[in-house]
Parts: sequence; C-alpha cells; structure tokens
Amino acid sequence: DVKVTQSSRYLVKRTGEKVFLECVQDMDHENMFWYRQDPGLGLRLIYFSYDVKMKEKGDIPEGYSVSREKKERFSLILESASTNQTSMYLCASSFLTSDTRRLNSPLHFGNGTRLTVT
Amino acid sequence: AQKITQTQPGMFVQEKEAVTLDCTYDTSDQSYGLFWYKQPSSGEMIFLIYQGSYDEQNATEGRYSLNFQKARKSANLVISASQLGDSAMYFCAMRDNTNAGKSTFGDGTTLTVKP
Repeated sequence: DVKVTQSSRYLVKRTGEKVFLECVQDMDHENMFWYRQDPGLGLRLIYFSYDVKMKEKGDIPEGYSVSREKKERFSLILESASTNQTSMYLCASSFLTSDTRRLNSPLHFGNGTRLTVT
Repeated sequence: AQKITQTQPGMFVQEKEAVTLDCTYDTSDQSYGLFWYKQPSSGEMIFLIYQGSYDEQNATEGRYSLNFQKARKSANLVISASQLGDSAMYFCAMRDNTNAGKSTFGDGTTLTVKP
C-alpha cells in the first residue's frame, strides 16, 4: 500500500524562522506535490516536481521553496515564516501521468502538517 | 487554466438515502481526468473515484458513482445508501495529462449524514 509520510503532524514556529516540512513516499512515484489547505479555499498547489532536482511553481509559490534531491523525498521550505502561512500543508505523490497506463493514477496524500506561525 | 466549482459548501442527508454532490469544471484540454476525494475529520485525503474524459461509461466504485456529463462539463458524485461514516468533506479535482499531471481542486463540500 502506498505510504506518504509527513515528518510532523503539528508545528508551531515564530515569525521569521526558517521552516522545513519533509515528505517521503515509498511507492517509487515520479510526481510529488505540496498543497496548502485553508477553509473555504480548497487545496492550492504551492510547488510540484516530476523528477529528481526538477521543480515547478504551482499557483501560490510566493514565500516558499522546495527541494527534491532524492526521488522519494520532497521538502517544502518557508524561508522566513509569516503569520499568513499558518495553514494545513498536504504532501501528495503520484505516478507520471504522461504514461497512458497511469492516466487514472490518483494522488496519494500524507496526513498533513498543521503549521501555526506566531 | 483549469477551474473546478463546487457550489454546495454544506449538504445534509438522511442515513440510508442517496445524495448528489455537484461539481462543474472548466478546461480547454481534450484529455483530462476527474477525481473525487474524501477528507474525514481526521484529515487524511482518500481517493474515491476516477472518470477519464474519453470514458463513455459513468464510473462506479461500490456505493459511489460519477454522473459525468461532458457537454455540460459536470462530474457529480452520487453516494447511495448513505452511512454515518460518509460524513466528511468531499473534493472534486481535475488533473491534466502532462508529465506531472497537476491537479486543480474545488473548494469542497461538507457532507453531514443524519441518523
């Protein structure tokens, strides 16, 4: 069974701190994603990656960066945390969807990290 | 750009009855995938059902079915014989068929099943 593991369930950080959110998947998925979830706004894509060392901006990349040094690990970095980055952060992974055998490949999510910036 | 609209912020249904959760989408792509996910109060996102844009039949998975109307760009989720454990937030999502297959999500519908 696919497992996506996020390193922390809850985090409390201070404004201005550098914050690392880690995500590891064990299914050899090519794609990895970081979303943030806020009430009434659904899930919004921050960054994604379809290969090691590859990264692409999503819809709301400002204030974030990512790192993918190994296929199984995708890290989200808040360079200088701000209170408006208080949110639930969800990591997800999937197979490469340009492979026609994988067109119906869903996202597999971690349990989320609830980050509070004070 | 892709857009998903879920117009029902909250829905109530009586246990054992059927319920339809609405989803409309907008895309200029010909090839795309539509997904529904469930998020219980515990927070994990669970994949429920998939419909491909070229699929001629509506998708079904157990008590879940997808009412896919391509011309109207709608992909409504139907849950039959609702159970108390169906109480959760439900998200409709669309994925394009590029390499990374970015998914765009709607704002979600909170379903409450009443005993």
